[in-house]
Amino acid sequence: KQEVTQIPAALSVPEGENLVLNCSFTDSAIYNLQWFRQDPGKGLTSLLLIQSSQREQTSGRLNASLDKSSGRSTLYIAASQPGDSATYLCAVYGSNTGKLIFGQGTTLQVKP
Amino acid sequence: DGGITQSPKYLFRKEGQNVTLSCEQNLNHDAMYWYRQDPGQGLRLIYYSQIVNDFQKGDIAEGYSVSREKKESFPLTVTSAQKNPTAFYLCASREGSGQPQHFGDGTRLSIL
Repeated sequence: KQEVTQIPAALSVPEGENLVLNCSFTDSAIYNLQWFRQDPGKGLTSLLLIQSSQREQTSGRLNASLDKSSGRSTLYIAASQPGDSATYLCAVYGSNTGKLIFGQGTTLQVKP
Repeated sequence: DGGITQSPKYLFRKEGQNVTLSCEQNLNHDAMYWYRQDPGQGLRLIYYSQIVNDFQKGDIAEGYSVSREKKESFPLTVTSAQKNPTAFYLCASREGSGQPQHFGDGTRLSIL
């Protein structure tokens, strides 16, 4: 059974710092991996989708990497800002049906 | 603007009552999904539908029912058989295989 783990559960950094969020999964036979952001009381906002054949994907200050063989993905946030404060969720697609398996998230606080 | 609309934002259920959560999308996406989010836990899949008039159970379908009579609509009914319905419910859709999943703003269900 696929399990997704995100460590740490919470992270607090000063503004301007570059940071890395970690996601690991137990079964390397994944289709794709998607990173989301969730603000308190809100739905999920899609940040990046990495296809299983890709090694990384970039959008603005965000860069996500994928290493299927080691069962790991990282989300790199450059020059963090207070507006980046949110919970970041990693989810893997275990099949082409679109069923997502989520980690429990990392709650990020960026202090001014 | 294209998007996913969930209503109502807040919903209260009395004991023994069935309630229906609405999810509408105007993205012309084939696949739609319902997830449940509990504090301290990741999102869990309730039901999903890859095409009109067809749907499958997810990991926690007991006590829930769905229908998919139209492409743009995927309502979720929380029945009285669901003994612990208090949670944040999220609806999602995606265009097809290899495409990212997009989420609505959620419905928070509480018990009176």
